[in-house]
Amino acid sequence: GEDVEQSLFLSVREGDSSVINCTYTDSSSTYLYWYKQEPGAGLQLLTYIFSNMDMKQDQRLTVLLNKKDKHLSLRIADTQTGDSAIYFCAEKHRGGGNKLTFGTGTQLKVEL
Amino acid sequence: EPEVTQTPSHQVTQMGQEVILRCVPISNHLYFYWYRQILGQKVEFLVSFYNNEISEKSEIFDDQFSVERPDGSNFTLKIRSTKLEDSAMYFCASRPGGTQETQYFGPGTRLLVL
Repeated sequence: GEDVEQSLFLSVREGDSSVINCTYTDSSSTYLYWYKQEPGAGLQLLTYIFSNMDMKQDQRLTVLLNKKDKHLSLRIADTQTGDSAIYFCAEKHRGGGNKLTFGTGTQLKVEL
Repeated sequence: EPEVTQTPSHQVTQMGQEVILRCVPISNHLYFYWYRQILGQKVEFLVSFYNNEISEKSEIFDDQFSVERPDGSNFTLKIRSTKLEDSAMYFCASRPGGTQETQYFGPGTRLLVL
């Protein structure tokens, strides 16, 4: 079945790079997304990558996709305290209502 | 920038009561979704809706649940007889359709069933 997994926690120092990893099982996924959730808030779309791409860069964010290994990562350069949040990867499935399957979420803590 | 809005932000109800969660999707979007997130767990898909009908639903979305687009702007999720385990954050999402695949999420409604 469809499954998306992430590590639960990541702690980095301010100014360092953060790398959040995600693995998925559905090889028919067409789009993969990263959403950010701050405490008590909704899901904010950060970036996405189409499945025929290997990399996408958007300012401080770099998304890498290894389709063979079904591995997705999000790199945040120059991590700031405002980046502290839970980061969810999600895959979009073909057909039907195009539902998203979300990962478990990675809690990023940025320390001074 | 247009946003998905949801009301109320918080709802407390007694077990067995009916609740209606409301969403106003982004105005030119055609596809609508409900997801839920039980505290500490994954965000789970409930249902997708297009052209005034359900296009896909999950196992969670049983006969207790229903969705409706009563007018041109609102999209509602009704839970007929709430259970304790329905306590969760409920997110509405919408997307434009066509080649535009990205779903935009509302801030959520936190539902607590006592």
